[in-house]
Amino acid sequence: AQSVTQPDIHITVSEGASLELRCNYSYGATPYLFWYVQSPGQGLQLLLKYFSGDTLVQGIKGFEAEFKRSQSSFNLRKPSVHWSDAAEYFCAVGAKGTGTASKLTFGTGTRLQVTL
Amino acid sequence: EAQVTQNPRYLITVTGKKLTVTCSQNMNHEYMSWYRQDPGLGLRQIYYSMNVEVTDKGDVPEGYKVSRKEKRNFPLILESPSPNQTSLYFCASTPLRLAGTTDTQYFGPGTRLTVL
Repeated sequence: AQSVTQPDIHITVSEGASLELRCNYSYGATPYLFWYVQSPGQGLQLLLKYFSGDTLVQGIKGFEAEFKRSQSSFNLRKPSVHWSDAAEYFCAVGAKGTGTASKLTFGTGTRLQVTL
Repeated sequence: EAQVTQNPRYLITVTGKKLTVTCSQNMNHEYMSWYRQDPGLGLRQIYYSMNVEVTDKGDVPEGYKVSRKEKRNFPLILESPSPNQTSLYFCASTPLRLAGTTDTQYFGPGTRLTVL
């Protein structure tokens, strides 16, 4: 069964500082990987996704993530955080193939606080 | 505007009183899904549907029912709600890619349910 671990429950960074949110997955083959953001009181919005090809993927709002197969990781990064980035971030892994199609497993989330 | 809508957004009810949360999407997506979000647990899939009249259980289906009579609608039914179903519920939809694997999931705004 697939699983996702986000080891950091809560992270605080200063505005302008760099950010890295960790995500480790468990899946038997090459996974589909996603990062979603949830602002307070809102639904989830896709930041970026990895299906295949270039292991460094660019997303919206200046975020990027790197797929590292050897480490089973898909960490999210941003070089300079803005106060509006304060939100909860979810990593998710999707299964491939019919039969298990559409199975999306989420991590427990990392809450980001940005100090001014 | 492409969107997933849920109604109601907020609901307070009592134990045992049947309720339905509606979900509708206007993107002609084949796949729809229901998740519940609880603190420290992330999002967990309740049920999903790969097309009209095709539904299947997710990770936490107990106490819930769904139906998919039309492509655009995927209501979540709680026949006899209990306090442990107090949660934040999200509906999502996505087109099915080749080989039946989902692409980006589009989330509704969420329904906050309280069962007293």
